[in-house]
Formats: sequence, C-alpha cells, structure tokens
Amino acid sequence: EDQVTQSPEALRLQEGESSSLNCSYTVSGLRGLFWYRQDPGKGPEFLFTLYSAGEEKEKERLKATLTKKESFLHITAPKPEDSATYLCAVQALGNTPLVFGKGTRLSVIA
Amino acid sequence: DTGVSQNPRHKITKRGQNVTFRCDPISEHNRLYWYRQTLGQGPEFLTYFQNEAQLEKSRLLSDRFSAERPKGSFSTLEIQRTEQGDSAMYLCASSFVGGVREKLFFGSGTQLSVL
Repeated sequence: EDQVTQSPEALRLQEGESSSLNCSYTVSGLRGLFWYRQDPGKGPEFLFTLYSAGEEKEKERLKATLTKKESFLHITAPKPEDSATYLCAVQALGNTPLVFGKGTRLSVIA
Repeated sequence: DTGVSQNPRHKITKRGQNVTFRCDPISEHNRLYWYRQTLGQGPEFLTYFQNEAQLEKSRLLSDRFSAERPKGSFSTLEIQRTEQGDSAMYLCASSFVGGVREKLFFGSGTQLSVL
C-alpha cells in the first residue's frame, strides 16, 4: 500500500532561520509527488509537483527536491506568513488518487 | 477560473440527521475527488469521478456515505444517519486528466459538526 510519512510533525522557527521538512514515501510506481500548503480552516493550496528523482522546483522562499525515497521542502529565511501546515502527497502510476501524509505544522516567530 | 467551490462552508447537525454537501469544480476539469480530513491528519481519500463515472467508491467510510456527479458537472456527497464520528472537514478537489501531468485544486471544504 502506498504510504507517506512526514517529519517533523511540528516545527517552530525564528524569522530568518532556514530549515527543511521531510517527506518519506513508498509507492508501487511514482507518477508524481505533490506539496501543498494548508492554512487553518482552508483547503490545501497547490505548491509543487515533482516527477523524477533529482528534480527541483522553487517558489519564493520554498524549494522542493526529490529522491527515490524522499522529498524535502527547504524553507530559506522564512517569514511569519509562511506559518501553515505543509502536506506531502504521492500519486502512483495509473492516475490513482493522491495519498497524503499527516503534514508538518510550521510556525515562524517574528 | 473561479476555483473549486464548496457549499455550505459549515454545517452543524444533530446525530441521526442526513446531510448533503455540494462541490462545483473548475469548469474544464473532468475529474472530481472527495476527501475527508480530521484534526491533525492529512486528507483521506473517499471517492472520485471521471466525468459522470464513479471510478472508486470502496473507500467510502460506510454505506451511509454516497456521492453523485450527475452529467459530469457538480457533485454531491451525502451522509445518512450522521454519527459524531463523522465530524470532519470534507474537501473536494478537481483536476484535468488528459495530458501527462495532473494537478489537483482543492476547495475550501465543508466543516461538519455532528452534535
């Protein structure tokens, strides 16, 4: 069964303190790995899709990377507005539904 | 592109009542998903449609749950005889499947509270 494990569960950073979130996955055959941001009481907001090992994508202070077993979401010089839950999901070959991890709850303190 | 729309945003009901939620996907999207999310957990897949065909429904939590997508447009999710354990955020997402890369867009969800 496809599985996604995210760590840490929660992370507290000072503004400007860079860090990384981890997403480990097992999937029968990877079609894509997705990162979403979710604010309290709202639906997940799409950030990135990665399709093959070695691929990297960037958006503002966020950079996502992918290996054959895990993905990292690097946050450089975070700001308080980056505080949110970050969700990782995998999609197996065959356009199957996304399987999500439990998320990492990030708090950035000014 | 007005995004995925879900109604209502919040629903409070008494145990044993039936509830129905509506999802309007992005207009050109042919696939629609329903997920459930409880506090501190990631979204949990329930069911999905491609156009009007329901491709998977074995993940619906019990036979009290049902979903429809008439004419391949909006979708409804119904929960009959609600229980307190049904309290959760119900999320709808849509996507276009036809190219190489599928990207899901989520609505804001319907927060259900069963008293």
